Amino acid sequence: DQQVKQNSPSLSVQEGRISILNCDYTNSMFDYFLWYKKYPAEGPTFLISISSIKDKNEDGRFTVFLNKSAKHLSLHIVPSQPGDSAVYFCAASTGTYKYIFGTGTRLKVLA
Amino acid sequence: DADVTQTPRNRITKTGKRIMLECSQTKGHDRMYWYRQDPGLGLRLIYYSFDVKDINKGEISDGYSVSRQAQAKFSLSLESAIPNQTALYFCATSDLRAGEETQYFGPGTRLLVL
Repeated sequence: DQQVKQNSPSLSVQEGRISILNCDYTNSMFDYFLWYKKYPAEGPTFLISISSIKDKNEDGRFTVFLNKSAKHLSLHIVPSQPGDSAVYFCAASTGTYKYIFGTGTRLKVLA
Repeated sequence: DADVTQTPRNRITKTGKRIMLECSQTKGHDRMYWYRQDPGLGLRLIYYSFDVKDINKGEISDGYSVSRQAQAKFSLSLESAIPNQTALYFCATSDLRAGEETQYFGPGTRLLVL
């Protein structure tokens, strides 16, 4: 049973436009959510996180939105740049060590 | 220098061989983890350690063992490698602040078991 789902395996966006990556979860006990970015031949790199007490967190071009009632979070990248092309994983936890990862979305930003 | 390093980066081995993957960190974190990633799947936890004397199984620990030699070193062993252990392996460390834990990953080891 996949508790964290990224239903879009891939996404293509034009440079300068907004990229929206989505993640759904089923476990209402999750209270901490993270996004990681992964380039080929590298490990996942922490990007941004959000606690369940918030519905939005921003860091530069990256914003994460959390909709607890819908059990949905999204990552917005504005404006998208070619260097953002990577695989993005969302992860959820109950505030402890145990992360549950989604399967990833491959973002391609077209120049 | 990278905060979390893994050796080797790539390894090919044969069924039945014993191999060890090593992880070192300079972040000063107490917590360390081993994950594997398979195509089309997210990362899955193999083992984790909260300090040198505390080692715990994750969701897919069968066929693996670990050793926490020091705060900075955490090794993963495959006692008798099998082809379905072919995967990408990641080590991670974590920082716990105000009840929220963020994990930082190494570059990964690509393992092929023939």
